Amino acid sequence: NAGVTQTPKFQVLKTGQSMTLQCAQDMNHNSMYWYRQDPGMGLRLIYYSASEGTTDKGEVPNGYNVSRLNKREFSLRLESAAPSQTSVYFCAILLAGGPDTQYFGPGTRLTVL
Amino acid sequence: QKEVEQDPGPLSVPEGAIVSLNCTYSNSAFQYFMWYRQYSRKGPELLMYTYSSGNKEDGRFTAQVDKSSKYISLFIRDSQPSDSATYLCAMSRNTGGFKTIFGAGTRLFVKA
Repeated sequence: NAGVTQTPKFQVLKTGQSMTLQCAQDMNHNSMYWYRQDPGMGLRLIYYSASEGTTDKGEVPNGYNVSRLNKREFSLRLESAAPSQTSVYFCAILLAGGPDTQYFGPGTRLTVL
Repeated sequence: QKEVEQDPGPLSVPEGAIVSLNCTYSNSAFQYFMWYRQYSRKGPELLMYTYSSGNKEDGRFTAQVDKSSKYISLFIRDSQPSDSATYLCAMSRNTGGFKTIFGAGTRLFVKA
């Protein structure tokens, strides 16, 4: 039982390149989230998905797209990376049976040069 | 003004000390209050959560919420070097996860 996995762990891109960050969960939860974490800013929600096939914008969605094709996977795509997107990206799921408690993946460290 | 304010630290204490970590917030509609612990280069992990006002204790950890002052605290008793991490407060108005606001985190170092 891996919980929430993210790939890749590290990535370096050049400005203008594209890439997809992958997130998969084996906990059978409906709601999944993508956050970015920057020094002094805390965790900021990029996009979330309440269920398979549905996605909604969070606080900082510009420059990103997401895809939730099945219950298990939620991907985040950067179409044209910018240095401002240098950050640590976390995928999370909403734990059932309680309030807004979330279970986070290990993160992807992205640097855009 | 940020909805949630948290002193980034770092906070350095000797082993065995009582640690107090705090957050203030501006939105009186928040009802759920969480504390997450994040070790270096890892994802945050939930420590504990409380609903509305009051205290909640879990081992060496106590979470306290004062809604009248819009102030929440996490106390760590008998702190250990393994408690060295960044502590994030988080809060939301209701269930669903869509409007959880996180503090920036306080870095804690517990010296042996």
